[in-house]
Amino acid sequence: GEDVEQSLFLSVREGDSSVINCTYTDSSSTYLYWYKQEPGAGLQLLTYIFSNMDMKQDQRLTVLLNKKDKHLSLRIADTQTGDSAIYFCAESPHFTGGGNKLTFGTGTQLKVEL
Amino acid sequence: DAGITQSPRYKITETGRQVTLMCHQTWSHSYMFWYRQDLGHGLRLIYYSAAADITDKGEVPDGYVVSRSKTENFPLTLESATRSQTSVYFCASSDVYLSSYNSPLHFGNGTRLTVT
Repeated sequence: GEDVEQSLFLSVREGDSSVINCTYTDSSSTYLYWYKQEPGAGLQLLTYIFSNMDMKQDQRLTVLLNKKDKHLSLRIADTQTGDSAIYFCAESPHFTGGGNKLTFGTGTQLKVEL
Repeated sequence: DAGITQSPRYKITETGRQVTLMCHQTWSHSYMFWYRQDLGHGLRLIYYSAAADITDKGEVPDGYVVSRSKTENFPLTLESATRSQTSVYFCASSDVYLSSYNSPLHFGNGTRLTVT
């Protein structure tokens, strides 16, 4: 089945850039997503990228997709303490027959230090 | 926005007991999902439903039962709870058939279940 992997922890200083990486195995992935989970809350969609794109920028967020290597990254510029959260990479295959049935990565806990 | 609510937020139960986790959404989304979140595993899909009275297994369905008699509700039942089912459970909904940014998964705030 599909597999999505992330490193578990990342620590950065406030004001620096954060880069969270993700690798996936399903070559038929259509959309790739980044979700953010704050403590005690559910996941919220942060950004997404369609599989025919290489890059997407959304304010402080930059998503890079290397489809050949099946590698996705999320760069957060000028990281703030409010960015401290768990970040999940998720992929959706071309045709699930089951709605938006995502496969999630293990999540990366981002800690922003002063 | 009320959106999707889960209850209870916290539950402690004993091994062998039956427990039901509730999920209610106000958007009339067609699709609803149950995920469990465990450290090192991320989120894993337990069951999902495409519409009322239509349910299907996800990645880790064993030990769980779902029903969907009404579009807005999607309860998850652990028929005989085991310690390995200690987890945080998330309900989610979506109103599209294929992936779409315009209709991402909307998550509830989760139920933290402890089985002693």
